[in-house]
Amino acid sequence: EVQLVQSGAEVKKPGESLKISCKVSGDTFTNDWIGWVRQKPGKSLEWIGIIYPGDSDTRYSPSFQGQVIISADKSVTTAFLQLTSLKAADTAMYYCARSPAASHWDYWGQGTLITVSS
Amino acid sequence: DIVMTQSPDSLAVSLGERATINCKSSQSVLYSAHNKSYLAWYQQKPGQPPKLLFYWASTRASGVPDRFSGSGSGTDFTLTITSLQAEDVAVYYCQQYYSVAPGYTFGQGTKLEIK
Repeated sequence: EVQLVQSGAEVKKPGESLKISCKVSGDTFTNDWIGWVRQKPGKSLEWIGIIYPGDSDTRYSPSFQGQVIISADKSVTTAFLQLTSLKAADTAMYYCARSPAASHWDYWGQGTLITVSS
Repeated sequence: DIVMTQSPDSLAVSLGERATINCKSSQSVLYSAHNKSYLAWYQQKPGQPPKLLFYWASTRASGVPDRFSGSGSGTDFTLTITSLQAEDVAVYYCQQYYSVAPGYTFGQGTKLEIK
């Protein structure tokens, strides 16, 4: 069974950087796309971007381009989302998810809550 | 960008009754070469990640009860729940995956409650 397990909750100060992880098991990591989604408290889902670990092809939403970096390490079947210069507005739940063909998301991580506060 | 607009924003339905949620895209998400609409539906319960219900607009994901159905093509889509159950209380989202350039955008969500 495919499982995506994300790193734990984080509390950061404005201006700090952070890298969260998404460990994928039960799947051929290099044959699927892994994506990231943001959900602010009480709000809808925002698509951040996706990566194909097989060749590191990465696509970003224009809304997040330059604000985040998505990467993957095939050796540990883990995808990463790096956020820089954090602001209070980045406070949200961040989910990773798997897509079999850069399409729909069929398996999701449990979410990583990031709180940015001074 | 492809903007996804759901209606209504919230919905209260009696147990056993039908619930209908609509999703409209600002441009067609039908890829004619495949004759498929690049549209998915998700269910999100409080404190949980989203769960895939349908992809290609009407293909039911594994384990989804058959009281759920997805329909539509092009720009207009519908998620229908016949005979609403208490466990169906959730927020439902549509998402287009037609164009990666602007991002695979989601609708604003529809909150479904019991009347």
